[in-house]
Amino acid sequence: DTEVTQTPKHLVMGMTNKKSLKCEQHMGHRAMYWYKQKAKKPPELMFVYSYEKLSINESVPSRFSPECPNSSLLNLHLHALQPEDSALYLCASRMDRGLFGELFFGEGSRLTVL
Amino acid sequence: AQKVTQAQTEISVVEKEDVTLDCVYETRDTTYYLFWYKQPPSGELVFLIRRNSFDEQNEISGRYSWNFQKSTSSFNFTITASQVVDSAVYFCALSEVNTPLVFGKGTRLSVIA
Repeated sequence: DTEVTQTPKHLVMGMTNKKSLKCEQHMGHRAMYWYKQKAKKPPELMFVYSYEKLSINESVPSRFSPECPNSSLLNLHLHALQPEDSALYLCASRMDRGLFGELFFGEGSRLTVL
Repeated sequence: AQKVTQAQTEISVVEKEDVTLDCVYETRDTTYYLFWYKQPPSGELVFLIRRNSFDEQNEISGRYSWNFQKSTSSFNFTITASQVVDSAVYFCALSEVNTPLVFGKGTRLSVIA
């Protein structure tokens, strides 16, 4: 069983909707990540939080808004998305951003934008 | 800039065959880590192995083995006696100091019964 939990597993939304993806880990990891993965492509990094502060934003459009309320939780708020934003959104955590530890991934939230 | 190349896009093998997935990387750093992840149809990325740049010993874990060769900048992954459950997309990845993980494009392995 994965130690990184993502909800919901599936989400369908219209372009005018506002929704959120949630991610939770209880491994004491201090770095958390959002990745976006299109079909048959590798995961692409979106955001990195280190000690609850945003440390990397890979030029992601503002319609994606991350939030890290505490060290165990990571949210991705979605607003005014486009159909091309449909993808698998993966959350991951790591003990510390600067270390070489492996990333632990959740099962992902599969998003469809109509 | 770091880069990971997985030249094999898709591989199909018959069950019980051995299969090797290739990974070639580029980096200017002397300290780095290499990873392999498995992504089954369920979507989750499952960690398989991590290897640091100072440890070139090959590793075996059950039916899985990894061959790390710095001379050719390769970190290949072999599955012995493949099984249908091995069918997945396999990603090789590279991490340098304070940089996010960089993934290769992945190799889709299909094991046919």
